Amino acid sequence: DTEVTQTPKHLVMGMTNKKSLKCEQHMGHRAMYWYKQKAKKPPELMFVYSYEKLSINESVPSRFSPECPNSSLLNLHLHALQPEDSALYLCASSHSPGTDLVEQFFGPGTRLTVL
Amino acid sequence: AQTVTQSQPEMSVQEAETVTLSCTYDTSESDYYLFWYKQPPSRQMILVIRQEAYKQQNATENRFSVNFQKAAKSFSLKISDSQLGDAAMYFCAYRSGIIQGAQKLVFGQGTRLTINP
Repeated sequence: DTEVTQTPKHLVMGMTNKKSLKCEQHMGHRAMYWYKQKAKKPPELMFVYSYEKLSINESVPSRFSPECPNSSLLNLHLHALQPEDSALYLCASSHSPGTDLVEQFFGPGTRLTVL
Repeated sequence: AQTVTQSQPEMSVQEAETVTLSCTYDTSESDYYLFWYKQPPSRQMILVIRQEAYKQQNATENRFSVNFQKAAKSFSLKISDSQLGDAAMYFCAYRSGIIQGAQKLVFGQGTRLTINP
């Protein structure tokens, strides 16, 4: 298995809802990433997990809560979002930190709309 | 902090022709990695090519090749024999050469490439 999968593909939620985005990879990667991407812009890094531990938080508001239950799975829990949080949310993974295999592999993304 | 600049917001090329996308970057590091990613309208980001700063030889992947000029901090992507499927947003990205720990990618603003039949 050489891909990163993300569910759901599309999500519409109200500002009072609680929802979760899911990302999964079975490539044995030990670093996983969440990005936010607005239309016609590059991805913006949100969080990085390295060996299931949160290693980078790019000052993301607390209404976004990441979780890495195991080495294959990454979740992003959403609560009390704002309309400006509407975007494409991308997950990525890369090989174990400490190797020369540094390229990141991206999932197809979840298109989130906050009403 | 490192920065990546793509000065061409949009480019177009005739099918079967060759096109070159520009990328410059700014860093004080001597070891780093550079990447070109492609994001078609279907939105999945795909790695096109990677270059290690310590390698003098330019990377090549089939119809895709780079011109890496370390002193000039330039990293352009050449697409030969352009195909309709090459139409996409192309992002240039920089990663620190520190291999300990997961490191962030620094992206350019992207170049939207259109292929004219």
